[in-house]
Amino acid sequence: EAQVTQNPRYLITVTGKKLTVTCSQNMNHEYMSWYRQDPGLGLRQIYYSMNVEVTDKGDVPEGYKVSRKEKRNFPLILESPSPNQTSLYFCASSSLGTDTQYFGPGTRLTVL
Amino acid sequence: QKEVEQNSGPLSVPEGAIASLNCTYSDRGSQSFFWYRQYSGKSPELIMSIYSNGDKEDGRFTAQLNKASQYVSLLIRDSQPSDSATYLCAVNQRSARQLTFGSGTQLTVLP
Repeated sequence: EAQVTQNPRYLITVTGKKLTVTCSQNMNHEYMSWYRQDPGLGLRQIYYSMNVEVTDKGDVPEGYKVSRKEKRNFPLILESPSPNQTSLYFCASSSLGTDTQYFGPGTRLTVL
Repeated sequence: QKEVEQNSGPLSVPEGAIASLNCTYSDRGSQSFFWYRQYSGKSPELIMSIYSNGDKEDGRFTAQLNKASQYVSLLIRDSQPSDSATYLCAVNQRSARQLTFGSGTQLTVLP
């Protein structure tokens, strides 16, 4: 089954404790992206990647890091999480030949 | 000014009616426009894309684009309770893959 998976789905952590949210797709998509979704603000892009070893900032990259060492994986790293990073995070992927972005199921992160 | 604006709603329509959802955008250079549907607690899914002025129909859904007025709309005909969801407008404002989303309009279709 073609899908985008994210782990964990739910995470409660404390300020300053480094964490990684994994994203993996099995569709051989070149493009992958991370979004955060907050009430009243919609989806905002954090980082995106056009292919392996190619990443770029989105609209709200501060406090986040990403890497793209393999085509299928695009982890989101929070080196020192803060409460304002409490949010619902979505990973998405698409083929460069289409406009359809496939979204993962989401990761709900709470930083205390 | 938000780059992509939608009425947050909630919008309620009776079953069988036409639901009209609107979206305006600020970047005149935008090329691609999308409507996503997001059920509560779920991830967004693409339902319509439109690239040129005019109407595009797909089943009960019609997307309308007017680049001169910088608005895009979504009409849902014969609305069903299963259409109850949040509808997100997304616009390609910079690169081919960078999407800017509106905050979404919550639609409720009443049986």
